[in-house]
Amino acid sequence: DAKTTQPNSMESNEEEPVHLPCNHSTISGTDYIHWYRQLPSQGPEYVIHGLTSNVNNRMASLAIAEDRKSSTLILHRATLRDAAVYYCTRGTSYDKVIFGPGTSLSVIP
Amino acid sequence: DTGVSQNPRHKITKRGQNVTFRCDPISEHNRLYWYRQTLGQGPEFLTYFQNEAQLEKSRLLSDRFSAERPKGSFSTLEIQRTEQGDSAMYLCASSLNGGDRDEQYFGPGTRLTVT
Repeated sequence: DAKTTQPNSMESNEEEPVHLPCNHSTISGTDYIHWYRQLPSQGPEYVIHGLTSNVNNRMASLAIAEDRKSSTLILHRATLRDAAVYYCTRGTSYDKVIFGPGTSLSVIP
Repeated sequence: DTGVSQNPRHKITKRGQNVTFRCDPISEHNRLYWYRQTLGQGPEFLTYFQNEAQLEKSRLLSDRFSAERPKGSFSTLEIQRTEQGDSAMYLCASSLNGGDRDEQYFGPGTRLTVT
């Protein structure tokens, strides 16, 4: 099974960086690591993905461990709008994405 | 707006009735996925299509559930003889096929309540 494990919840102060960890110890060499987030009453929203190298986009950065058994989603400056459930998922380009329960991020003003 | 749309947004039905949901993906996307989400859980994969072909079905998709994508564009998910345990949010997503990424774009979901 394509399992990932994440903390159930995390808190961050507004305008501080947030590091959301994910373990995927059974990942295969061709599995991509994807992150999605879900705001209340909305469908999930793509955040970022990567294979081996660290990745940056306008929303976040993704740091992938050298052995690829873990990764960290980095929000550089948390805002109140970043309060959401963050899902770390894995899958190949030609397969489905499996979601776990995710990490519920609270942002404190 | 050219995002993924789902209809209806909410559906209340009595146990034993049949319901059908529709998903309109982003127009150039070949892949279409259905998920189910219950409170406090992540989306659970149900099935997905590559164009009109249904490529995989989850064990969660009992024989009361059927999904179609007849022309490779919109898709329908039908639940027959609904049960209270079917109450959930049903999410649809679409993506381009292949390449080194398979970013999924999700619709707003259809919330089903079975009374």
